[in-house]
Amino acid sequence: SSELTQDPAVSVALGQTVRITCQGDSLRSYYASWYQQKPGQAPVLVIYGKNNRPSGIPDRFSGSSSGNTASLTITGAQAEDEGDYFCSSRDSINNDVLFGGGTKLTVL
Amino acid sequence: QVQLQESGPGLVKPSETLSLTCVVSGYSISSGYYWGWIRQPPGKGLEWIGSIYHSGSTYYNPSLKSRVTISVDTSKNQFSLKLSSVTAADTAIYHCARPHTTGWYYFEYWGQGTLVTVSS
Repeated sequence: SSELTQDPAVSVALGQTVRITCQGDSLRSYYASWYQQKPGQAPVLVIYGKNNRPSGIPDRFSGSSSGNTASLTITGAQAEDEGDYFCSSRDSINNDVLFGGGTKLTVL
Repeated sequence: QVQLQESGPGLVKPSETLSLTCVVSGYSISSGYYWGWIRQPPGKGLEWIGSIYHSGSTYYNPSLKSRVTISVDTSKNQFSLKLSSVTAADTAIYHCARPHTTGWYYFEYWGQGTLVTVSS
């Protein structure tokens, strides 16, 4: 089956911009969605579709895609943005939902 | 406000069947959407288990398909998960979720999750 690959960890200085990437063949056919998860909490959808934010998600979060790579960009990272970020997409072959392994974001 | 709440045994013996229920409030399952189950082993990533429509139509993760049954009870506004022949590898936090309006695979509303440990 298809896979989504993420870097295990990324760090960013407070107020700077960070990009978290996700690679996989399914991303050539379907947009990625992105989830933020903090310790002990359920994941929160932050980006879906081409570049859409659910209600309540700050506009410093944005998404983009090129070829087999999707990116989540946080412009002006805040301390509260620390956590794990998971990408997800629909499998291009089956009606499956794929998740990446997750990226741990540290805000310095 | 859509809310989901998982319930079920927190401890299951190896080879037995894991059974969980997700009770939905603030939205009628009969109104639509594919309702999903996702799990997360402690300290690890997310894994989609499967999703069910209010009509009973299902999608399952191929790697779990032989052991998974998801069902829906619209009269109780809940849906359920059964995972058979469990092993320690099935120890995880199990979440139920409802997707966003624009895609059945964009999970917008999540239950808090329930930890299920497989151990004798």
